[in-house]
Amino acid sequence: GQNIDQPTEMTATEGAIVQINCTYQTSGFNGLFWYQQHAGEAPTFLSYNVLDGLEEKGRFSSFLSRSKGYSYLLLKELQMKDSASYLCAVRSPTRFGAGTRLTVKP
Amino acid sequence: EAQVTQNPRYLITVTGKKLTVTCSQNMNHEYMSWYRQDPGLGLRQIYYSMNVEVTDKGDVPEGYKVSRKEKRNFPLILESPSPNQTSLYFCASSWEGGGSPLHFGNGTRLTVT
Repeated sequence: GQNIDQPTEMTATEGAIVQINCTYQTSGFNGLFWYQQHAGEAPTFLSYNVLDGLEEKGRFSSFLSRSKGYSYLLLKELQMKDSASYLCAVRSPTRFGAGTRLTVKP
Repeated sequence: EAQVTQNPRYLITVTGKKLTVTCSQNMNHEYMSWYRQDPGLGLRQIYYSMNVEVTDKGDVPEGYKVSRKEKRNFPLILESPSPNQTSLYFCASSWEGGGSPLHFGNGTRLTVT
């Protein structure tokens, strides 16, 4: 089976950096995704990792270690609009962690 | 515009009254899936389909049915809804394989009384 764990809630300050961790146990692995979901809206794609290492996309970066079953999403220069839930997901088929609700405070 | 269209957005119904939530995508994606989202539990997969006439159970299939007669459509059917199926439902699609992300519909908020 699959088990995907991430913290339930995090709080950070505008302009700061925050790291959201995700650990997973899966019988098969075809990559790890991060999605962002604002309250009441559909999730939207942020990043994808299939090989070990760091993928950078502007203010957002995602890291993967397959041997450790571990990933993190790094958000830099936090803005108020980054307040949302961040979902870690492994494929396939795609299964999600419960999500981390991030609150950015002024 | 590439999109996944779910209908209806909101639905209130009574126990036992059969309902269908429609999902259609215009991106020619092979893979389609249904999720329900409940507080504290995240997105849980109900059913998925790798292609036409190919469907498989996800983690929480009980009480639901799906069909994939055409590539673009993947309706979710609740034959006899119960209050524990009150939830927010999302349909999603993607290309199969590789790093293809899921594209989500806008969601259907279902209340069963």
